[in-house]
Amino acid sequence: NAGVTQTPKFRILKIGQSMTLQCAQDMNHNYMYWYRQDPGMGLKLIYYSVGAGITDKGEVPNGYNVSRSTTEDFPLRLELAAPSQTSVYFCASSSLTGGSSYNEQFFGPGTRLTVL
Amino acid sequence: KNEVEQSPQNLTAQEGEFITINCSYSVGISALHWLQQHPGGGIVSLFMLSSGKKKHGRLIATINIQEKHSSLHITASHPRDSAVYICAVLRDDKIIFGKGTRLHILP
Repeated sequence: NAGVTQTPKFRILKIGQSMTLQCAQDMNHNYMYWYRQDPGMGLKLIYYSVGAGITDKGEVPNGYNVSRSTTEDFPLRLELAAPSQTSVYFCASSSLTGGSSYNEQFFGPGTRLTVL
Repeated sequence: KNEVEQSPQNLTAQEGEFITINCSYSVGISALHWLQQHPGGGIVSLFMLSSGKKKHGRLIATINIQEKHSSLHITASHPRDSAVYICAVLRDDKIIFGKGTRLHILP
């Protein structure tokens, strides 16, 4: 199993450009998450999904969009990139077991995005 | 005040020392998660706790629900333990992360 994969690893965008960060998992997990990590700060939840076709906002959703058409894929879309979106983006997945609403999360390697 | 506070923020120790990293939270939680972020940036899950104590190799995690406090201990520390250790709590389906403790073990 590859686990959680993310592409690209690095990207530089100009202000106003758009891009999609890709995330895929092969563990058949129902939950998937997008986080951003700013220097010296904790991870912040952008969006999450509890299954194909279902997404919901996290703590910092503004400027981003997501879709979940399959269990495996959870892309994150930046429509009009701004310098404030310079960050490292992590995708994660987990499975819902035993009636718990939270379970161990498996993280992708991250995408380092710079907006100039 | 952050809902999840970790201490210390930075810790440098000699190889072989016993390490303790603390996590305090100010809200009721249903679970607490310890994560390790490697110098290259990758994040791995270490423990999930809702009560008591868990041990894996040289790592031990404890939680005291009444005192809203958890500790992560590393015995016989090694330079490869150098990483950022992150505490995260689950409250009302919301996940809140601490800022992390940067650990550096000197050979």
